[in-house]
Amino acid sequence: KAGVTQTPRYLIKTRGQQVTLSCSPISGHRSVSWYQQTPGQGLQFLFEYFSETQRNKGNFPGRFSGRQFSNSRSEMNVSTLELGDSALYLCASSPIGGSQETQYFGPGTRLLVL
Amino acid sequence: GDSVTQMEGPVTLSEEAFLTINCTYTATGYPSLFWYVQYPGEGLQLLLKATKADDKGSNKGFEATYRKETTSFHLEKGSVQVSDSAVYFCALGGAQKLVFGQGTRLTINP
Repeated sequence: KAGVTQTPRYLIKTRGQQVTLSCSPISGHRSVSWYQQTPGQGLQFLFEYFSETQRNKGNFPGRFSGRQFSNSRSEMNVSTLELGDSALYLCASSPIGGSQETQYFGPGTRLLVL
Repeated sequence: GDSVTQMEGPVTLSEEAFLTINCTYTATGYPSLFWYVQYPGEGLQLLLKATKADDKGSNKGFEATYRKETTSFHLEKGSVQVSDSAVYFCALGGAQKLVFGQGTRLTINP
């Protein structure tokens, strides 16, 4: 099976712009989670989607949003970018998002905000 | 809320040395526990996991035992290799999400 794929892999934006990141989960996986990784804050949970519904959300401002499509692919959007949004954004998938399930991670999208 | 505390890094060892990376957690209920590894420029890969107390997860020579009494899940390997150099994350499985420790950077010198 193909793994989790994320596009684009690298992105440079300027403050105030918006960005959309894409994630394709492993075939058959219906749960998709997003995480932000920074040197200062480490790995932080953004949100989780299952069957096109957001089931859980981390402590991030409303500028961070996401959605999931009927084929389980997911996108996250960050509006009005700030310098502090520079990070590696990781997507992970699992069959149904159960707490005992392994989450499989993609390679990430590295976002640099100038 | 749920949290994970990992041993501060970075950790530098010589090849064939014994490795321990400490991990303790705070959680309500009985979460699953995971160790993930991140190699440079890559995403996270599952190293091992344990889903209930006293379970031992193992993979590639690494082991960790779920200790409910000490709320710990320490990672061990008897003889490390240069190829084990990476960042290691301890995590607990919560409601539709993982809660991660801060990560421990491990460097193995030949």
